[in-house]
Amino acid sequence: RKEVEQDPGPFNVPEGATVAFNCTYSNSASQSFFWYRQDCRKEPKLLMSVYSSGNEDGRFTAQLNRASQYISLLIRDSKLSDSATYLCVVLNDYKLSFGAGTTVTVRA
Amino acid sequence: GAGVSQSPSNKVTEKGKDVELRCDPISGHTALYWYRQSLGQGLEFLIYFQGNSAPDKSGLPSDRFSAERTGGSVSTLTIQRTQQEDSAVYLCASSPSRDRAYHFGNGTRLTVT
Repeated sequence: RKEVEQDPGPFNVPEGATVAFNCTYSNSASQSFFWYRQDCRKEPKLLMSVYSSGNEDGRFTAQLNRASQYISLLIRDSKLSDSATYLCVVLNDYKLSFGAGTTVTVRA
Repeated sequence: GAGVSQSPSNKVTEKGKDVELRCDPISGHTALYWYRQSLGQGLEFLIYFQGNSAPDKSGLPSDRFSAERTGGSVSTLTIQRTQQEDSAVYLCASSPSRDRAYHFGNGTRLTVT
């Protein structure tokens, strides 16, 4: 079983829609969780950390469910510029484990 | 402020040649990673440096790969006798400590012909 698994998508949504997707992780001792976004042929960029209580950053909301070992990302009022691959990243001790990414395409 | 800087941004080399890739982490960041990403694939861990501790080299795919970090700052990744399967984007990331989010450089796109 992979350490981090994501639905690859693609999620094709119209502008203004809400899109949400999850990521599951296998190591119950994992300590820190992040969402990164990666645009085509670019490096991953930190989108947000994920905290146990859930957190928002503008139109983005991240949730962590330790009991079920999953993380979610919700994007409200999606923009064309939100089109990207979203990487779920889990930190165990010092090792980062990356999901394969969820592709989101926002259409006009 | 300055982010993680990698050089060169692109490198084309002939099979069998050696290449050296450089990473300048964000100033003060003690943790540094090297990853690589092949076209359409996920990120593959290569090596991890944390302060003065011995690096975790468990991700290096063969003994043709080596990396060092001088003075706890700049890191170089060396690939000897390059093969076509080494073609990938090599990404460096740094973090202020081992449990904080990592910031990636722009990567070096290596093409072995």
